Amino acid sequence: GDSVTQMEGPVTLSEEAFLTINCTYTATGYPSLFWYVQYPGEGLQLLLKATKADDKGSNKGFEATYRKETTSFHLEKGSVQVSDSAVYFCALSERLTGANNLFFGTGTRLTVIP
Amino acid sequence: SAVISQKPSRDICQRGTSLTIQCQVDSQVTMMFWYRQQPGQSLTLIATANQGSEATYESGFVIDKFPISRPNLTFSTLTVSNMSPEDSSIYLCSVEGTNYGYTFGSGTRLTVV
Repeated sequence: GDSVTQMEGPVTLSEEAFLTINCTYTATGYPSLFWYVQYPGEGLQLLLKATKADDKGSNKGFEATYRKETTSFHLEKGSVQVSDSAVYFCALSERLTGANNLFFGTGTRLTVIP
Repeated sequence: SAVISQKPSRDICQRGTSLTIQCQVDSQVTMMFWYRQQPGQSLTLIATANQGSEATYESGFVIDKFPISRPNLTFSTLTVSNMSPEDSSIYLCSVEGTNYGYTFGSGTRLTVV
């Protein structure tokens, strides 16, 4: 079945450090891939998405490239800020099988210290 | 993308009671999804709610415990019945938006004492 494996946290970085959060997936068809962010005390927000191989999703300085050959969708940011402290969830949506819901990774908590 | 209004935002409930969570969407949607996020964990799909038919529950979730209503294309409720402390979680509703995006409600933080 479909699944998402996400880098375990927590991750603590200093401000302006480079961020990578690894995400790999297993899917039977051609999934769309997502990164969601959950800031403290808030609901989930879509951060970025990619719908086909080699697509790059980007938003707020974050990027992730849909790599079909390695079944990966790693999240990167060149210079993190304190305001990026949140929990990040990788997710996939498998459309060709008719399933319209999301499969989530376990989440990675990021703390950025000044 | 759709805007979801979810309420209540939080509640503290006595064990053995029930709580109904509401989600109102600002546009018509075919499917609505209900998730549970237990403390420190990821989201788990509870059920998918289609208008005019019974909800489809995921493994480990049953209708008697989590009855769902979907009276029209913009509204759904999830009831957490006969609550125990193990039901303390964040509950979220979600809809599929355009361009493969999903929108989530702001969540209901439930504490059962």
